[in-house]
Amino acid sequence: DAGITQSPRHKVTETGTPVTLRCHQTENHRYMYWYRQDPGHGLRLIHYSYGVKDTDKGEVSDGYSVSRSKTEDFLLTLESATSSQTSVYFCAISGHRGYEQYFGPGTRLTVT
Amino acid sequence: AQSVTQLGSHVSVSEGALVLLRCNYSSSVPPYLFWYVQYPNQGLQLLLKYTSAATLVKGINGFEAEFKKSETSFHLTKPSAHMSDAAEYFCAVSVDSGGSNYKLTFGKGTLLTVNP
Repeated sequence: DAGITQSPRHKVTETGTPVTLRCHQTENHRYMYWYRQDPGHGLRLIHYSYGVKDTDKGEVSDGYSVSRSKTEDFLLTLESATSSQTSVYFCAISGHRGYEQYFGPGTRLTVT
Repeated sequence: AQSVTQLGSHVSVSEGALVLLRCNYSSSVPPYLFWYVQYPNQGLQLLLKYTSAATLVKGINGFEAEFKKSETSFHLTKPSAHMSDAAEYFCAVSVDSGGSNYKLTFGKGTLLTVNP
């Protein structure tokens, strides 16, 4: 299995609070991704990174920001959490553009 | 824009029966195609991939898929279903988003139920 961990694995937070999710990899892969998974929507890309300090938006980036200061860590921040951001969040990594991605175990976030 | 359509959000088969999960894609350039499996409360695991080599691709757990360019399809099959195959399956296409970066676009998933 690819060495990907996500923390925390579960979190409950209140509307309006900031939340940061962490993805850590031990594979030294260049590309990292954040997705959210919701029933009926499959996986939707939030943001991705193609190198340290190089990030770009995905299809559902509103309300989210990311940072990548080291190859191994990719942080997803919800500046002010809303109930619509209740979801399961997955991190993924890839060593080559256009090739397969490997997924972390996910973080279940509930915003009350 | 590239897209993936999985026909059937829920497929139910009997143990030992053929599994067929359908995936059609839309892409203006030659695609890379993938199938992933997700077991309850877990992340996605790669089953198999097509990257412009052989059109019939074999994956883990006895699954295979055939790339048919004329039909823009990449259907997933397994000759004989096992109870442990019950999971959600996602088809994905690799998208050239410009520059040097690629993204995956996922279908909405097909939940496979295996009945004893």
